[in-house]
Amino acid sequence: DQQVKQNSPSLSVQEGRISILNCDYTNSMFDYFLWYKKYPAEGPTFLISISSIKDKNEDGRFTVFLNKSAKHLSLHIVPSQPGDSAVYFCAAISGGTSGTYKYIFGTGTRLKVLA
Amino acid sequence: DADVTQTPRNRITKTGKRIMLECSQTKGHDRMYWYRQDPGLGLQLIYYSFDVKDINKGEISDGYSVSRQAQAKFSLSLESAIPNQTALYFCATSDLPGGPDAGELFFGEGSRLTVL
Repeated sequence: DQQVKQNSPSLSVQEGRISILNCDYTNSMFDYFLWYKKYPAEGPTFLISISSIKDKNEDGRFTVFLNKSAKHLSLHIVPSQPGDSAVYFCAAISGGTSGTYKYIFGTGTRLKVLA
Repeated sequence: DADVTQTPRNRITKTGKRIMLECSQTKGHDRMYWYRQDPGLGLQLIYYSFDVKDINKGEISDGYSVSRQAQAKFSLSLESAIPNQTALYFCATSDLPGGPDAGELFFGEGSRLTVL
């Protein structure tokens, strides 16, 4: 059973426009949520995170929004740049109270920013 | 040099062969992980280790074993490789999560394994 879902396998956006990547989850006990970016032939790299007690976190062009009632988070990239073309993984962390901190990943969304 | 190094980067082998993927890190983290990536399935946790004496199974540990030789080294073994273990394998490390930035995972560049 997929606890973290990214229902859009791919997304194309024009350069300069906003990219919105979505992620849904089923476990209301997740402590943190993270976004990772992955280029071909490289490992995923951390992009931005948000605690479950917040609803927004911003870092430069990247903003993550968390809607706990809908169990939904989204990553906004504004403005989108061709270098943002990559696969984006949503991840959730559970088990904070027990210290185990297990990371559960979504299936990824391939973003293509068109010049 | 990369903080998390995986060897080999690419490997083709035959069914039934024993394969070892190695991971070493210079970040000084206690926590190390092995993930597998398959198309359409995201990253699935195979094994994880919170220190040298601690080894835990992940979601898909069947057919795999691990060894934590030192804080900096975590190896993944396929005792008898089968074709459905063809995948991209990632090693990752993390420090203890806390504060506003939940423990970030630092990934290696991946090891692509093909089992014929």
